[in-house]
Amino acid sequence: QQKVQQSPESLTVSEGAMASLNCTFSDGTSDNFRWYRQHSGKGLEMLVSIFSDGEKEEGRFTAHLNRASLHVSLHIREPQPSDSAVYLCAVRNMGYKLTFGTGTSLLVDP
Amino acid sequence: GGIITQTPKFLIGQEGQKLTLKCQQNFNHDTMYWYRQDSGKGLRLIYYSITENDLQKGDLSEGYDASREKKSSFSLTVTSAQKNEMAVFLCASSMPGRSSYEQYFGPGTRLTVL
Repeated sequence: QQKVQQSPESLTVSEGAMASLNCTFSDGTSDNFRWYRQHSGKGLEMLVSIFSDGEKEEGRFTAHLNRASLHVSLHIREPQPSDSAVYLCAVRNMGYKLTFGTGTSLLVDP
Repeated sequence: GGIITQTPKFLIGQEGQKLTLKCQQNFNHDTMYWYRQDSGKGLRLIYYSITENDLQKGDLSEGYDASREKKSSFSLTVTSAQKNEMAVFLCASSMPGRSSYEQYFGPGTRLTVL
């Protein structure tokens, strides 16, 4: 069964400094890896979806996937206070099912 | 664009009570999902429905029933609420297809059991 772990549990960065979040998974045969953001009291918003090893950029959000290392990361360029939220990594298995990590709580200080 | 509506936003129940949560989507998506989110445990899939009239168990289906009344709506029933239970239930929908498995999420229903 796929296991997904995220680190760090919480992260504080200054506005404008790069924020880097990590996610490791146990089964590298999954075909899709995603990063979601969840503001307090809100639903999930998908930021980046990546299928192949390498890099995928969506605006200020860049995901790096390395299946051999069982690792996918998210880098947020020039973070703003409005980016303060919980960031969730998810791995797709068997079509419809997503396995989620427990999240990284990001605080961006103005 | 579309939207997913979940009702109620907050649900307070008593131990042993049967509680129903509702979800509506106007994306015209085929597939709908119910997830449970507990603090420190991420999201876990309870039930999903690939198309209207379909129902599939997720990893956490025990203690729950689900019903796909029509394409746009998907309900979840907590069959017997557990004392001190607190969680957020998130509904999502998606359209099949490799690049379109993106799941759109509702804002959630927060459950508290007294």
